Amino acid sequence: IAGITQAPTSQILAAGRRMTLRCTQDMRHNAMYWYRQDLGLGLRLIHYSNTAGTTGKGEVPDGYSVSRANTDDFPLTLASAVPSQTSVYFCASSGGSGSNEQFFGPGTRLTVL
Amino acid sequence: GEDVEQSLFLSVREGDSSVINCTYTDSSSTYLYWYKQEPGAGLQLLTYIFSNMDMKQDQRLTVLLNKKDKHLSLRIADTQTGDSAIYFCAERITGGYNKLIFGAGTRLAVHP
Repeated sequence: IAGITQAPTSQILAAGRRMTLRCTQDMRHNAMYWYRQDLGLGLRLIHYSNTAGTTGKGEVPDGYSVSRANTDDFPLTLASAVPSQTSVYFCASSGGSGSNEQFFGPGTRLTVL
Repeated sequence: GEDVEQSLFLSVREGDSSVINCTYTDSSSTYLYWYKQEPGAGLQLLTYIFSNMDMKQDQRLTVLLNKKDKHLSLRIADTQTGDSAIYFCAERITGGYNKLIFGAGTRLAVHP
């Protein structure tokens, strides 16, 4: 089934630990995105990638890094997690259709203690 | 600046119409979207409207766009319990990437 998968579904992490959230899409979309969703704030863009090999910073990039080695995968890394990074993380992709719709993954719920 | 605002909560009776409102600030928006998020799930695109349109209808959904007032609304006719979810308004900003600005989301509760 075509779409976006994210792993893990949820994770509890000690502060200071390193964590990588995985995202894979099989729609051959050029662009991919990472958002965090916090209550009352909607979705905020962390990082994006227009195409394999390129990445860019979104609204809230501090404390996060990404890589885009190929079209399908777009991992998000927290080098040293802090409690303020407790959130639900969504990966999305878009393929340049007329509406530029972004397709979202099911999310990863991350708790940093 | 870029900002999208929505009311946070709406409660309607099953069978009634729901109207969810959204205001945005960036006049260069090209597309405006409505996404639906069910509990524990990601966002799914419900519908979208191009900025040169005033209205779009898709089955039970009607989107109205007032560019002068930068106001977008989503009307759901004959609201059902399965419509209970969070609805996000988003605008696409022209620029180097497909940038979407999301509102905080409106939680729609449908009661019998």
